[in-house]
Amino acid sequence: SQKIEQNSEALNIQEGKTATLTCNYTNYSPAYLQWYRQDPGRGPVFLLLIRENEKEKRKERLKVTFDTTLKQSLFHITASQPADSATYLCALPFTGGGNKLTFGTGTQLKVEL
Amino acid sequence: DAGVTQSPTHLIKTRGQQVTLRCSPKSGHDTVSWYQQALGQGPQFIFQYYEEEERQRGNFPDRFSGHQYPNYSSELNVNALLLGDSALYLCASSSTPGAPEQYFGPGTRLTVT
Repeated sequence: SQKIEQNSEALNIQEGKTATLTCNYTNYSPAYLQWYRQDPGRGPVFLLLIRENEKEKRKERLKVTFDTTLKQSLFHITASQPADSATYLCALPFTGGGNKLTFGTGTQLKVEL
Repeated sequence: DAGVTQSPTHLIKTRGQQVTLRCSPKSGHDTVSWYQQALGQGPQFIFQYYEEEERQRGNFPDRFSGHQYPNYSSELNVNALLLGDSALYLCASSSTPGAPEQYFGPGTRLTVT
């Protein structure tokens, strides 16, 4: 069955550094991959989508890479700020079409002053 | 432009009871999906509604049912509540059943005692 793995350990980094989060998946060939941000007790907020034919995508301080051979996506936040502290979720569409998503368990990021 | 709204925000129910959660999609969206998020986990797809019909369903028992109204708003009903149904219930809307970008609501926190 499809499986998505994200580092369950929290990531603590200093303000100004680059945070890198990893998403690995198995038994799957997704047409695209998404990253969401989730704050405690709130719904996920869509950040970026990268398609299978794209290697890299950027949006302001965010960068996502997608390696379909390694079955891995990396999510980078450059010049991190305390306001970036949140849980970041990786999501892939189910096989068979449609936009229903399978999510990873998320990685909690804490940016310290 | 109103985003996805959900009600109520919090709910406490007793085992065996029934509950109804409500969702209004983002303006211009006609597809609504429901997800369940247990503490420390990623959201899990329950089902999706489009044109007032359930179009796709995840691995959830028949105790979970839904409805979509002509104005695209949706309800999630859960019968015979179990302690394990305690979770954050998220509604997501999209412009079509296949549109990759989904917008999530703030969620309803359901506690079953």
